[in-house]
Amino acid sequence: EAQVTQNPRYLITVTGKKLTVTCSQNMNHEYMSWYRQDPGLGLRQIYYSMNVEVTDKGDVPEGYKVSRKEKRNFPLILESPSPNQTSLYFCASKALGGYEQYFGPGTRLTVT
Amino acid sequence: SQQGEEDPQALSIQEGENATMNCSYKTSINNLQWYRQNSGRGLVHLILIRSNEREKHSGRLRVTLDTSKKSSSLLITASRAADTASYFCATEYGAGSYQLTFGKGTKLSVIP
Repeated sequence: EAQVTQNPRYLITVTGKKLTVTCSQNMNHEYMSWYRQDPGLGLRQIYYSMNVEVTDKGDVPEGYKVSRKEKRNFPLILESPSPNQTSLYFCASKALGGYEQYFGPGTRLTVT
Repeated sequence: SQQGEEDPQALSIQEGENATMNCSYKTSINNLQWYRQNSGRGLVHLILIRSNEREKHSGRLRVTLDTSKKSSSLLITASRAADTASYFCATEYGAGSYQLTFGKGTKLSVIP
């Protein structure tokens, strides 16, 4: 089944404790992206990647890192999480020749 | 920001009625897409309309695009309780760009 998976689905952590949210897709998509969704603000793009070893900032990259060492994986790293990074995070992927983005199920992160 | 703005923010209708949601954006686009999100879950692509198209249909969905007014509308006919969800417009713009910019969404409630 074609899908984007994210882990963990729920995470509660404390300020400053490094964490990684994994994202993996099995559709051989070149393009992958991370979004955060906050009430009243909609979805905002954090980082995106056009292919392996190619990443770029989205609209709200501060406090986040990403890497794209393999085509299927695009982990989101929070080196020192803060409470303002409490949010619902989505990973998405897309074939460069297509239009539709495929979204993962989301990761709900709470930073206390 | 290219962010689209949906209108209304929330819409409540009776089952069987039609639901219309609007989206406005700021500058020229390559295409405009509509996505659906069931509460707290990943977004699902519904329909795409290219900048040179004025209307598209898919099942009970009808999308229009008015590039002169920089606006789009999504019509869901004969709504069902299962249509209850949030609906987002997303614009793709810029030559060679693969990024989508999402609006804040319209929350649709269909009352059985």
